Amino acid sequence: GAVVSQHPSWVICKSGTSVKIECRSLDFQATTMFWYRQFPKQSLMLMATSNEGSKATYEQGVEKDKFLINHASLTLSTLTVTSAHPEDSSFYICSARQGGNQPQHFGDGTRLSIL
Amino acid sequence: GESVGLHLPTLSVQEGDNSIINCAYSNSASDYFIWYKQESGKGPQFIIDIRSNMDKRQGQRVTVLLNKTVKHLSLQIAATQPGDSAVYFCAELSTGSGGYQKVTFGIGTKLQVIP
Repeated sequence: GAVVSQHPSWVICKSGTSVKIECRSLDFQATTMFWYRQFPKQSLMLMATSNEGSKATYEQGVEKDKFLINHASLTLSTLTVTSAHPEDSSFYICSARQGGNQPQHFGDGTRLSIL
Repeated sequence: GESVGLHLPTLSVQEGDNSIINCAYSNSASDYFIWYKQESGKGPQFIIDIRSNMDKRQGQRVTVLLNKTVKHLSLQIAATQPGDSAVYFCAELSTGSGGYQKVTFGIGTKLQVIP
């Protein structure tokens, strides 16, 4: 149980392209979803917290106009990297949580490579 | 704790030996801690958690110890196997500026099991 699916798993695209990443909780309803960014050999850095039906809360230093988050339903959140540039290349990971006292369950990440 | 540097600490252990991975956390108000395992190219996988009203919790082949006095957390893996090779992160649950709960990851330790 508690499976989180992330799609796509790998994206390679040209600079200036906008890229959408989907995060789905497959067997539970996620009141909260989280988006992380991870550079090679580093830890996960929280980008934003997404609650269904409300605006995402972004961490300090994360541009909300650059990283658009939409939590349309209790099983789906999307992250759109707008006008992506090479410095946006990274491993993006989402997680979902059923309730406040429940552990987060992570997707397998999306590797984004901007040429 | 936030990630620093480009090189993860590495722990090399002989197959069959016990492994101990350590972590220091910063927020004395944190009351919930989690250990995650991350294999290459995948998202973090929940291993074990512990609340601040406990100092020890055991799972299958894993034990987490919590020392609140010195803000230290450790993960012990018994009879380490090649499949245990991965990066291990400790994480603490805290309350963000918006009043929501978020998970902050530590730096991570790479465990290499020598056959």
